[in-house]
Amino acid sequence: SQTIHQWPATLVQPVGSPLSLECTVEGTSNPNLYWYRQAAGRGLQLLFYSVGIGQISSEVPQNLSASRPQDRQFILSSKKLLLSDSGFYLCAWSVGGGLGEQYFGPGTRLTVT
Amino acid sequence: GDSVTQMEGPVTLSEEAFLTINCTYTATGYPSLFWYVQYPGEGLQLLLKATKADDKGSNKGFEATYRKETTSFHLEKGSVQVSDSAVYFCALSDGSSNTGKLIFGQGTTLQVKP
Repeated sequence: SQTIHQWPATLVQPVGSPLSLECTVEGTSNPNLYWYRQAAGRGLQLLFYSVGIGQISSEVPQNLSASRPQDRQFILSSKKLLLSDSGFYLCAWSVGGGLGEQYFGPGTRLTVT
Repeated sequence: GDSVTQMEGPVTLSEEAFLTINCTYTATGYPSLFWYVQYPGEGLQLLLKATKADDKGSNKGFEATYRKETTSFHLEKGSVQVSDSAVYFCALSDGSSNTGKLIFGQGTTLQVKP
């Protein structure tokens, strides 16, 4: 069966510090991968998606970047965090090329102080 | 473009009450429709789905029917429990490409009181 991991689970970082969040998927090959952000009490905002290694599409211009160095690894980064980067970050995967559902990881709670 | 609209929350019900959370959509093609549930502090879990008109998705006592004529996918449960308290998201697939992107509604918070 497939599983998706995210770490860390929680993170408190000062403004201006760098960020690296990691997501890995097991039990499937060539998945589509997604990063979402959920601000407190708000809905989901799609940040990035990837349909293959090295292929990254950005949905909104911002202070963040994403990379996919391996087939089942997706990384969210920032060089300098802003207060507005605080939120709950969710990684998800779906079957490559399909129109089906997405499966979500447990999320990372990021607080920028 | 495609979009999903959910009823605003929070929805507050007593245990064993009947639940309806409305969801309507706008889409140019023939999307698949989904309901996700998010418990506090957790990621989203797929609750149910329907892939074509008149399909009924069901899981854990929840049901939703894909109504093409009314462009709706309302979530229902006959008797809610305190453990159903969560945020519920309606979503549709973006069928225009192979990206697998989903378009989500804004979410509806359900609070069930004992």
